[in-house]
Amino acid sequence: DIVMTQSPHSLAVSLGERATINCKSSQNILYMSNNKNNLAWYQQKSGQPPKVLIYWASTRESGVPDRFSGSGSGTDFTLTISGLQAEDVAVYYCQQYHSTPYTFGQGTKLEIK
Amino acid sequence: EVQLLESGGGLVQPGGSLRLSCAASGFTFGTYAMSWVRQTPGKGLEWVSMILAGGSPTSYGGSVKGRFTISRDDSKNMLFLQMDSLRGDDTAVYYCAKLTTTWHFDSWGQGTLVTVSS
Repeated sequence: DIVMTQSPHSLAVSLGERATINCKSSQNILYMSNNKNNLAWYQQKSGQPPKVLIYWASTRESGVPDRFSGSGSGTDFTLTISGLQAEDVAVYYCQQYHSTPYTFGQGTKLEIK
Repeated sequence: EVQLLESGGGLVQPGGSLRLSCAASGFTFGTYAMSWVRQTPGKGLEWVSMILAGGSPTSYGGSVKGRFTISRDDSKNMLFLQMDSLRGDDTAVYYCAKLTTTWHFDSWGQGTLVTVSS
């Protein structure tokens, strides 16, 4: 199974500042046939199901604000939230869909400092 | 608008069975792969099972393989999860999730709570 490891476990950032969350996969999740990384980022607010923000490591889902961006390739990935807003308080998860069983990171709890 | 509505959760004793259902609307259900994902406070999000458009193949996470069975009824836009030989560590909120053609989850239900306890 591909293990997804996120860091940090929790993060406190001031409003308007940048938040950076890292995700590392135990195997390369780059799909060679289309040169896309099979990685998604989800946001989960309290009491709600997860919501996809980013797929293919760097493609924003329709309707997601452009302050959310994803980067990385192979085994190392980053979610960046530029200009943190109060509504961004949530737990963020990375997930690989390169091979089953699909696996998630353990989550990063983002709070306002 | 895509809507996924889970039902069938509840309290069940260890060794018992439960069948979860997910009613889908707002998209052409039969043309998309669907999945069940569960969440516990201690273990976070865990992918449980997936069924492709057309009903096969199916796949399962290691902790549920041989005990859970995923199925779908495209005529009724319904997804199911038959859970047998339930254990305490199956206690979780179970989400129904729709996969995109690029294989990530783009829609989730609100979840149904399954509690396995005597």
